[in-house]
Amino acid sequence: DVVMTQTPVSLSVSLGGQVSISCRSSQSLVHNNGNTYLSWYLQKPGQSPQLLIYKVSNRFSGISDRFSGSGSGTDFTLKISRVEPDDLGVYYCGQGTQYPWTFGGGTKLELK
Amino acid sequence: EIQLQESGPGLVKPSQSLSLTCSVTGYTITSGYDWSWIRKFPGNKMEWMGYISYSGSTNYNPSLKSRISITRDTSKNQFFLQLNSVTTEDTATYYCARVAYYGYNLDYWGQGVMVTVSS
Repeated sequence: DVVMTQTPVSLSVSLGGQVSISCRSSQSLVHNNGNTYLSWYLQKPGQSPQLLIYKVSNRFSGISDRFSGSGSGTDFTLKISRVEPDDLGVYYCGQGTQYPWTFGGGTKLELK
Repeated sequence: EIQLQESGPGLVKPSQSLSLTCSVTGYTITSGYDWSWIRKFPGNKMEWMGYISYSGSTNYNPSLKSRISITRDTSKNQFFLQLNSVTTEDTATYYCARVAYYGYNLDYWGQGVMVTVSS
């Protein structure tokens, strides 16, 4: 299985600030078709996970441009700018390149 | 709007079977997307369990392959999870979600149902 490693495990941020979350995979996430199937999800307190970013850098419908994804191969980053209270929760990266699909361990974003 | 809703017992005894239902509204499950089960354990670890395709084929996580079955009832626009021989390690919140192949991701999720395995 592809192991997804997220860092840090937790992060404190001031409102209006910027943060980055790292996600590394144990194998390249480049699919045979040339696409890289790395996604980011946010689970807000008391809610189910929601899709933020797919294929490394594509924002899902309705997602603010304050969220941006980047990276390639095995090394990926989610950046959140101008952090708002509604951004707090646990962020997960996930890969869909290889079955079984796997997720990172999560990064909890809290207010400083 | 696509909505998914899980339902099922919140408490299951060890060695018994866990059975959950996902009811889908706003989209017909035979129309071209696949439908997945995912679980989140206490402590944040998430595990993809498997999916049933729009045509009825299935794909399971090998870690569960001998215990899991995903089926569907197209007349009710529902799909189901059965997990056999459960142990306390199957205690988790279970989610159903739609599989989106534009990004090989999960784009719509249910609210989740917490299942505790305990005698």
